[in-house]
Amino acid sequence: SYELTQPPSVSVSPGQTASISCSGDKLGDRYVSWYQQKPGQSPVVVIYQDTKRPSGIPERFSGSNSGNTATLTISGTQAMDEADYYCQAWDTSAAIFGGGTKLTVL
Amino acid sequence: EMQLVESGGGLVQPGGSLRLSCEASGFTFGNYWMTWVRQAPGKGLEWVANIKEDGSEKNYVDSVKGRFTISRDNAKNSLFLQMNSLRAEDTAVYYCARVLWSQGYMDVWGKGTTVTVSS
Repeated sequence: SYELTQPPSVSVSPGQTASISCSGDKLGDRYVSWYQQKPGQSPVVVIYQDTKRPSGIPERFSGSNSGNTATLTISGTQAMDEADYYCQAWDTSAAIFGGGTKLTVL
Repeated sequence: EMQLVESGGGLVQPGGSLRLSCEASGFTFGNYWMTWVRQAPGKGLEWVANIKEDGSEKNYVDSVKGRFTISRDNAKNSLFLQMNSLRAEDTAVYYCARVLWSQGYMDVWGKGTTVTVSS
């Protein structure tokens, strides 16, 4: 079965750029979505189809996907961005989530 | 406002059954794939099952095949998850979500309902 691998944690200073990776076999051949989940809340999509931002998502969120790795980039990271982030792709009609990355802003 | 509200969670003994419901409002429910995603305590998101707009296609994660059944009633704007032969490892918050199939992501999520499997 297809698997997505994320680092368990990433730390960033306020105002700096955070990068969260998601790796999988030939991941670049699939579309990747990214979800943000804050404690006690439901997930919210921040990036879909590798690079697209839904309406209402700040421009500081961006994504890329090539080869075996997709990356979520948060430019000018703010304290409010501290959350768990999950990548997600499809294996035929089954959704696959990465294990999640805890982003700490300190 | 688009909204999904889950219900039906609770405490159940191993081997028992529960039926989760998800009521949709604010959009034409029958036009969308729907899905269930769960999250065990302190763990990540795990996709459970999804169902096509008309219910003609259903997909499940291997760990629930043969035990869980996803269904929908478009006339009542409702999604269901029948869970049988429950195990301790099924303990989780269960979210229903709307799937934008052509774009490949889940754009509307409910707040979740908690299922605890314990004796």
